[in-house]
Amino acid sequence: ETGVTQTPRHLVMGMTNKKSLKCEQHLGHNAMYWYKQSAKKPLELMFVYSLEERVENNSVPSRFSPECPNSSHLFLHLHTLQPEDSALYLCASSQDFGRTGNSNQPQHFGDGTRLSIL
Amino acid sequence: AQTVTQSQPEMSVQEAETVTLSCTYDTSESDYYLFWYKQPPSRQMILVIRQEAYKQQNATENRFSVNFQKAAKSFSLKISDSQLGDAAMYFCAYREYNNNDMRFGAGTRLTVKP
Repeated sequence: ETGVTQTPRHLVMGMTNKKSLKCEQHLGHNAMYWYKQSAKKPLELMFVYSLEERVENNSVPSRFSPECPNSSHLFLHLHTLQPEDSALYLCASSQDFGRTGNSNQPQHFGDGTRLSIL
Repeated sequence: AQTVTQSQPEMSVQEAETVTLSCTYDTSESDYYLFWYKQPPSRQMILVIRQEAYKQQNATENRFSVNFQKAAKSFSLKISDSQLGDAAMYFCAYREYNNNDMRFGAGTRLTVKP
């Protein structure tokens, strides 16, 4: 059983819909991540939350809105998406120690949500 | 920005044989970490092996080992005695010391032939 759970596994939505992706980690980690994985491209880091505070936002369009209510849950709210947003969205978590700690801890990934925009 | 390059989009190996996957990266940092992740068709990314840049000794995990050449900024993965279950996408990743940002390569799809 994976320590990082993502729901839904598949999502098909129209460009005008509003939906949310959910990620939950059961590993006691304090950092969570959203990645976008498109075909034949490197994983793109979208957002990073450490200790429930957003620490990184890699120029992601505002139609993607993350939310981290606590260290175990991470959401990605979707609104007015474009066809090019179709991809696999991966959530990950890790044990981080902030900006002064040891960052060799690996990230643990969920199974992803396959998103298709019609 | 640090970039990670995997020059082999696809690789194939015969079962029980050895295969090496290439990875190079670009950085001006001296302290960092390198990872190899495996993504099978089930989609979950699984850590295979990791290497701290300050360690000269190459990391080894059972049938998986790395050839870390810091001066050349090269981090290849060797899979010995390949098994059918090794078939997957393999991603090389770089992470700076004291930084949450992890950079991934585009991946290498490994096929294992019976």
